[in-house]
Amino acid sequence: DAGVTQSPTHLIKTRGQQVTLRCSPISGHKSVSWYQQVLGQGPQFIFQYYEKEERGRGNFPDRFSARQFPNYSSELNVNALLLGDSALYLCASSLVAGDYGYTFGSGTRLTVV
Amino acid sequence: DAKTTQPPSMDCAEGRAANLPCNHSTISGNEYVYWYRQIHSQGPQYIIHGLKNNETNEMASLIITEDRKSSTLILPHATLRDTAVYYCIVGAGGTSYGKLTFGQGTILTVHP
Repeated sequence: DAGVTQSPTHLIKTRGQQVTLRCSPISGHKSVSWYQQVLGQGPQFIFQYYEKEERGRGNFPDRFSARQFPNYSSELNVNALLLGDSALYLCASSLVAGDYGYTFGSGTRLTVV
Repeated sequence: DAKTTQPPSMDCAEGRAANLPCNHSTISGNEYVYWYRQIHSQGPQYIIHGLKNNETNEMASLIITEDRKSSTLILPHATLRDTAVYYCIVGAGGTSYGKLTFGQGTILTVHP
């Protein structure tokens, strides 16, 4: 079975631009969570979506938004990119919203220049 | 979610048991202890979780003290591939809606 897949794996953007990151959960998993991991830090929670509804939001500005599609895949959008948005963006999926073990993808490495 | 404290780094010889401690003195009654690890350039990997009782799976064992204020993750026979950052996380289980609060973790280095 395929794990959690994220695309692209790497990308470089310029300050002020917008970016869309994509995540496909494990087949049958209905919950998707997004995390940001800055170099040298642990991952920080951004969003969780379950059944296409936002179920949790971390302490991130409104420039960050996300959505979940009927097939349970998800997109994370970041507008007006700042240098500080450079990070590894991780997606995690689980069967249900309150699961006990989450499966993470390998992430998208975003560099803002 | 309760805060956790872990040593920043630990070393272990290959083939020996690796015992990773975690303090969570402010844990509340409905909060679980989770362990994840992150190997370089990969996403975190779930290892094990527990509430009160000790737990064991194919990857590791989790020992939780009776007062639940601390726990130890045990890798019984560490290999070089166990070199990773290990995160101890405390959260409210099924009500946490996907929010795992990661700290700095413990960098475990397994030596030949």
